[in-house]
Amino acid sequence: DAKTTQPTSMDCAEGRAANLPCNHSTISGNEYVYWYRQIHSQGPQYIIHGLKNNETNEMASLIITEDRKSSTLILPHATLRDTAVYYCIVSAGNTGKLIFGQGTTLQVKP
Amino acid sequence: DGGITQSPKYLFRKEGQNVTLSCEQNLNHDAMYWYRQDPGQGLRLIYYSQIVNDFQKGDIAEGYSVSREKKESFPLTVTSAQKNPTAFYLCASTGRNSYNSPLHFGNGTRLTVT
Repeated sequence: DAKTTQPTSMDCAEGRAANLPCNHSTISGNEYVYWYRQIHSQGPQYIIHGLKNNETNEMASLIITEDRKSSTLILPHATLRDTAVYYCIVSAGNTGKLIFGQGTTLQVKP
Repeated sequence: DGGITQSPKYLFRKEGQNVTLSCEQNLNHDAMYWYRQDPGQGLRLIYYSQIVNDFQKGDIAEGYSVSREKKESFPLTVTSAQKNPTAFYLCASTGRNSYNSPLHFGNGTRLTVT
């Protein structure tokens, strides 16, 4: 599975959009991009995933560049409850063996 | 509601004792996984099972054992052979086709061995 690179930490003002970048320059054609988040002392929560096209659900939007070498997770109106560690993962494995790195710690501030 | 239940939330054991962590899911998922998380670190895969009565080692299986006698259950035993057992343990499950079936996680068991 391809490796991802994320900033260690980011801040965002409450009510503003949070844009979390992820680089995955070695991604293969059949690998999906997944985003999860983990609030302290809880299990990770699935947010969104995509292959080529941009995706949107009730939680977030995922923007994938045309060359698929990077992506951005957008939380349109961040709240204090969105403070968490956000993991960007790429995988094509049938086993679901997703590799969780250290992620980005997003701090939403009042 | 469907989900994954891990119990207990906190577990304390003396060094040298085996301990079993419970994981139950009612999502009708075929595949189940155990991860370990150390402070400030990502998740590392211990064992996984794609069908009943079958399981495979993950990246850090030494000192751990599992069983998968029922689809709903995937208990993890931390044996006395595990050198550094104190950690946060997470169980997850997914449908057979992981391309469009994201992982669902339980809320973890925090094991402390002294």
